[in-house]
Amino acid sequence: SQKIEQNSEALNIQEGKTATLTCNYTNYSPAYLQWYRQDPGRGPVFLLLIRENEKEKRKERLKVTFDTTLKQSLFHITASQPADSATYLCALGVGGYQKVTFGTGTKLQVIP
Amino acid sequence: DAGITQSPRHKVTETGTPVTLRCHQTENHRYMYWYRQDPGHGLRLIHYSYGVKDTDKGEVSDGYSVSRSKTEDFLLTLESATSSQTSVYFCAIRSGGTSYEQYFGPGTRLTVT
Repeated sequence: SQKIEQNSEALNIQEGKTATLTCNYTNYSPAYLQWYRQDPGRGPVFLLLIRENEKEKRKERLKVTFDTTLKQSLFHITASQPADSATYLCALGVGGYQKVTFGTGTKLQVIP
Repeated sequence: DAGITQSPRHKVTETGTPVTLRCHQTENHRYMYWYRQDPGHGLRLIHYSYGVKDTDKGEVSDGYSVSRSKTEDFLLTLESATSSQTSVYFCAIRSGGTSYEQYFGPGTRLTVT
């Protein structure tokens, strides 16, 4: 069966450290993968997209890697800050590029 | 923020009553999506639209219907609400082409008693 797993429901990290979140998938062949941030009571906000032929993407303190052999994406936040505390969702681009399937998310808490 | 609104923002209704949720966008985006979000399940796609009058089912479409008569509006209808449809509903938009990022509305919290 098809499955998307994000490494853990919750991740606590000390301020200033690098947070690494994992998204693993099985029985999908995504054309792209996205990461979103969601704050409590709000809709998700798009952060980054990486395509199947790309290995790495960066945006400011964020870095995403995509390994289609391992069927895994890693999402890194360097120099983490308490304001980075949120739930982070990965989403696979499937179904002819028109739609995505979301993972259940990882709740990140950055401790001052 | 993307120009996307949802109404109502909160609704409590009784089992068996019809409910319509509205998503309105001012971005003239081609694609519109309805998701529901539940603890332990994450975001799940209900229906989506790829143009006026063009819609398709998502993974949890049973019990829901949609309509899109104008580019800016995408309506989600629960014909006869059930308690299992208690959830937070999000609308999202996407411009299309090679632009794949989705922009989400603020959500509607629906409680079916």
